[in-house]
Amino acid sequence: AQSVAQPEDQVNVAEGNPLTVKCTYSVSGNPYLFWYVQYPNRGLQFLLKYITGDNLVKGSYGFEAEFNKSQTSFHLKKPSALVSDSALYFCAVRLNFGNEKLTFGTGTRLTIIP
Amino acid sequence: ETGVTQSPTHLIKTRGQQVTLRCSSQSGHNTVSWYQQALGQGPQFIFQYYREEENGRGNFPPRFSGLQFPNYSSELNVNALELDDSALYLCASSLIGTRTHEQYFGPGTRLTVT
Repeated sequence: AQSVAQPEDQVNVAEGNPLTVKCTYSVSGNPYLFWYVQYPNRGLQFLLKYITGDNLVKGSYGFEAEFNKSQTSFHLKKPSALVSDSALYFCAVRLNFGNEKLTFGTGTRLTIIP
Repeated sequence: ETGVTQSPTHLIKTRGQQVTLRCSSQSGHNTVSWYQQALGQGPQFIFQYYREEENGRGNFPPRFSGLQFPNYSSELNVNALELDDSALYLCASSLIGTRTHEQYFGPGTRLTVT
């Protein structure tokens, strides 16, 4: 079985400050990890992924995430938040074999305060 | 934009009716997955189709069924609709057999069951 926890339903950050959205996962085996963003009335938009290799991965719009195997975490970060980053963020995990079933967390609503 | 399209955008049905939702995959993709996103929740995996065969199924009853066509478009059918089926239905396409791994989501179909 695989699962994802996003412990914060809501994160508020002042514009220009660094932001972190937390994610921990549980999976039997080696994980593939993803971050997606959802804007109102829209589908999910891919941000970045960890498959293998460097633990720090960079993605779209200046976002990055750090894979920490010992802590089973994959936190999303950005050095300087923009108001346009305000959206709903989902962390997802899948196994590195078999079908491509994604298991999502419950989402974190990020609000950037001008 | 991901190139994944879904129709219709919105749909209202009555309990007990049947519904068909449609998805057109991104060009070149051979796999489609369907997810149900209830209000305030993360997407839940319904099933996946690869080369017109079901390639994995989540914890959904048999009244949820699907098809994938030779052109890789797809349908999700739900029979005997229940009030709890009200949700945003997302399809996602991907390309098994490559190193890309990520799924690309359509904008979703909002189903309301009354």
